[in-house]
Amino acid sequence: QVQLQQWGAGLLKPSETLSLTCAVYGGSFSAYYWSWIRLPPGKGLEWMGEINHLGSTNYHPSLKSRVTISVDTSNNQFSLKLSSVTAADTAVYYCARGRCTSASCRWDFDYWGQGTLVTVSS
Amino acid sequence: DVVMTQSPLSLPVTLGQPASISCRSSQSLVYSDGNTYLNWFQQRPGQSPRRLIYQVSKRDSGVPDRFSGSRSGTDFTLKISRVEAEDVGVYYCMQGTHWPSTFGQGTKLEIK
Repeated sequence: QVQLQQWGAGLLKPSETLSLTCAVYGGSFSAYYWSWIRLPPGKGLEWMGEINHLGSTNYHPSLKSRVTISVDTSNNQFSLKLSSVTAADTAVYYCARGRCTSASCRWDFDYWGQGTLVTVSS
Repeated sequence: DVVMTQSPLSLPVTLGQPASISCRSSQSLVYSDGNTYLNWFQQRPGQSPRRLIYQVSKRDSGVPDRFSGSRSGTDFTLKISRVEAEDVGVYYCMQGTHWPSTFGQGTKLEIK
């Protein structure tokens, strides 16, 4: 059984950098891309980006200038950094298993972390 | 980006009655391998999203058979044959065919 456990700071001031980490337990870490997804209040889910065990990343174009996703394969963890946050970045952030690493694999999101509420307020 | 449009956004249902949620994609979701990567998720209050249905109509393990998914062209439907109290929450459709993956706005199901 695959489990994702995430953590990170929940209260930030404008212009600070959001930082979250997600640990993966069970299953094959190297066989998948691992994603970050967020849910702003009153809005729908938004895919932010993904990474595989080799550190290959893909980011949503709307966030590309501010997002960095990194991986720690020795601990089966991946992390999200979002710079220069504003109130618009207030959301529940989730880590999730995205797609397998083969070029033909598509996005699935079959396993999710528990979510972290991040509030940006001065 | 592929736009996923759900309706209705709010769905009050009487216990034991059927419910139906629609999702329309702005372009075809049929991938080059012949599969259609359209998933449905349920998010109960205070919980993370949970995948219910993948590739239009395949139920995940442990999902009751009162949940079913179907497709007609670029229109997709999630049906609950008889709503139970535990079905309360927000339901999202998601397309995984095109990059970037996109979600619908969500449909909030509540009990009348």
